[in-house]
Amino acid sequence: EILMTQSPATLSVSPGERATLSCRAGQSVSSNLAWYQQKPGQAPRLLIYSASTRAAGIPARFSGSGSGTEFTLTISSLQSEDFAVYSCHQYSEWPFSFGPGTKVDIK
Amino acid sequence: QVQLVESGGDVVQPGRSLRLSCLGSGFIFSNFAMHWVRQAPGKGLEWVAVISFHENDKYYADSVKGRITISRDNSRNALYLQMNTVRVEDTAVYYCARSHLVYYHMDVWGQGTTVTVSS
Repeated sequence: EILMTQSPATLSVSPGERATLSCRAGQSVSSNLAWYQQKPGQAPRLLIYSASTRAAGIPARFSGSGSGTEFTLTISSLQSEDFAVYSCHQYSEWPFSFGPGTKVDIK
Repeated sequence: QVQLVESGGDVVQPGRSLRLSCLGSGFIFSNFAMHWVRQAPGKGLEWVAVISFHENDKYYADSVKGRITISRDNSRNALYLQMNTVRVEDTAVYYCARSHLVYYHMDVWGQGTTVTVSS
């Protein structure tokens, strides 16, 4: 199984500031990497797939980059509705795996 | 609109069995592979299983292999997860999710159903 790690575990950011979240894969997953947002009591929501493609309806302030083993999710200017947990997910190889998540909270 | 609705979650004793269901609507269910993903209380997401659109291919997480079976009935737009010999560590919210048509990530999620394994 490909081990996915994320850093930091918690990121405290003020509204309007930029947030940069990292995800690392234990081996190359090429660009087969997705990012999800999850709020308490809700199902995950797809933000980014193929490492850098925004899903339908996702605001342009969300962007993804990277390939191979190192990936980044950037939120350019945090809005109140963006405070949530963000998880990366590799779908390059069975069994699929998720990172442990980064919680973005209000500074 | 595209929707997935899970059901079947319950409180069950260790060693017993349980079947979860997921009904899809608003899209051509038979065209899409489908996943189950779970989330233990206070923990991250864990991929459980996937089934191809034609049911010929199925893959499982090592943690559930041999105890859990994924299946589908395209005539009913239904996805199932048969859980046998459940363990305390199977306690989680179980989500069904649609697989992207081209890639394999999950692009639509249900609201989840809760399974609690406790004596």
